[in-house]
Amino acid sequence: GAGVSQSPSNKVTEKGKDVELRCDPISGHTALYWYRQSLGQGLEFLIYFQGNSAPDKSGLPSDRFSAERTGGSVSTLTIQRTQQEDSAVYLCASSLSSRGAGELFFGEGSRLTVL
Amino acid sequence: SQKIEQNSEALNIQEGKTATLTCNYTNYSPAYLQWYRQDPGRGPVFLLLIRENEKEKRKERLKVTFDTTLKQSLFHITASQPADSATYLCALDMKSNTGKLIFGQGTTLQVKP
Repeated sequence: GAGVSQSPSNKVTEKGKDVELRCDPISGHTALYWYRQSLGQGLEFLIYFQGNSAPDKSGLPSDRFSAERTGGSVSTLTIQRTQQEDSAVYLCASSLSSRGAGELFFGEGSRLTVL
Repeated sequence: SQKIEQNSEALNIQEGKTATLTCNYTNYSPAYLQWYRQDPGRGPVFLLLIRENEKEKRKERLKVTFDTTLKQSLFHITASQPADSATYLCALDMKSNTGKLIFGQGTTLQVKP
């Protein structure tokens, strides 16, 4: 596709379950970001992948959160033992530039609800 | 600690007027500052980028200024229209060669006809 694709668009899960969120970036984009947005709030940085470099995981809120990017393309964000406070929209973005000079192209997000 | 501040209160203006949104930051030295628009239920969309050595950038009815002394960026929409109603987010790079972008919490603009 032409844009960043995220799936699922909506996910309802029970507390304690694991969830996986997927992001397909724009082809050729070397940078990939995950952000979290709670209701009415701004974007909270989670993790950043740049090419083959080690990811910047400084925004992950706990060790229940992990992410990987396979083959420099698709990324999966995994949340283990979900908690109610994990409920939010998880946004993925990709960028052609390896520096902050590149515009980010966002997907429409995955809305996670933990009951 | 590092902080990005945008007006948390919604900005309400009349159609045709100029909207001015503010982005202040502390303890950063960004090389780039970006502005995004976000509509409800959608992902943010890029609008403008300004570099630290640029004072001003324009694109159609949009203008962004960047004052590294004041640590502030202003985002202007001239001749505002109801279709400009959205949340506007500023984002700074960390100037650490990683390309990591940090976002402010956004300001919601409501343009009334």
